[in-house]
Amino acid sequence: NAGVTQTPKFQVLKTGQSMTLQCAQDMNHEYMSWYRQDPGMGLRLIHYSVGAGITDQGEVPNGYNVSRSTTEDFPLRLLSAAPSQTSVYFCASSYFWGGGFTGTDTQYFGPGTRLTVL
Amino acid sequence: GQQLNQSPQSMFIQEGEDVSMNCTSSSIFNTWLWYKQDPGEGPVLLIALYKAGELTSNGRLTAQFGITRKDSFLNISASIPSDVGIYFCAGQEVTVHSSNTGKLIFGQGTTLQVKP
Repeated sequence: NAGVTQTPKFQVLKTGQSMTLQCAQDMNHEYMSWYRQDPGMGLRLIHYSVGAGITDQGEVPNGYNVSRSTTEDFPLRLLSAAPSQTSVYFCASSYFWGGGFTGTDTQYFGPGTRLTVL
Repeated sequence: GQQLNQSPQSMFIQEGEDVSMNCTSSSIFNTWLWYKQDPGEGPVLLIALYKAGELTSNGRLTAQFGITRKDSFLNISASIPSDVGIYFCAGQEVTVHSSNTGKLIFGQGTTLQVKP
């Protein structure tokens, strides 16, 4: 059981380049999310998904796209990288309480991807 | 949007001292969580609180869910060098509707340094 895995661990991009940050989990969790962490700002939610085929925007979605074609994978795409997207990116997953009350169980975080945009 | 204010921003203490940090929110949460992040790693859950007034311990860590549901604190007793790291509070709404589904709102973090 590998938990939540993220690749790459480090990445340097030039302004305008595109790339995909990979996230995978093997816990059969319905809920997956992407956060970015910047100094002094905690973690901010970019996008999230409550199941395959379902995604929604978080607090800071601009400049990022996501898709959820399988339960296991939740890639984050930067279409045209900007220096403001220099950050540490974390993927998280958990069980999801759907139905009448919605929420999630404990969210497990991956080790992070450190991205620098020059 | 919702905001969490976490304080203090940083602490530098002597080994063996007790530590206290807290979070306040502009809105009500149904769940309060405390995470610790070691350098180069993702956050790891320390304590989860699900009910107003709840006081929960995990070894030397104790956390409480405020009665108003707008605040929480974390105490660490008899600190040791491996307590070093960044501690985050996070709040989550558990709603009847699908809005805010599962979203965690994080505080800015408290950086703890322990001097042996």
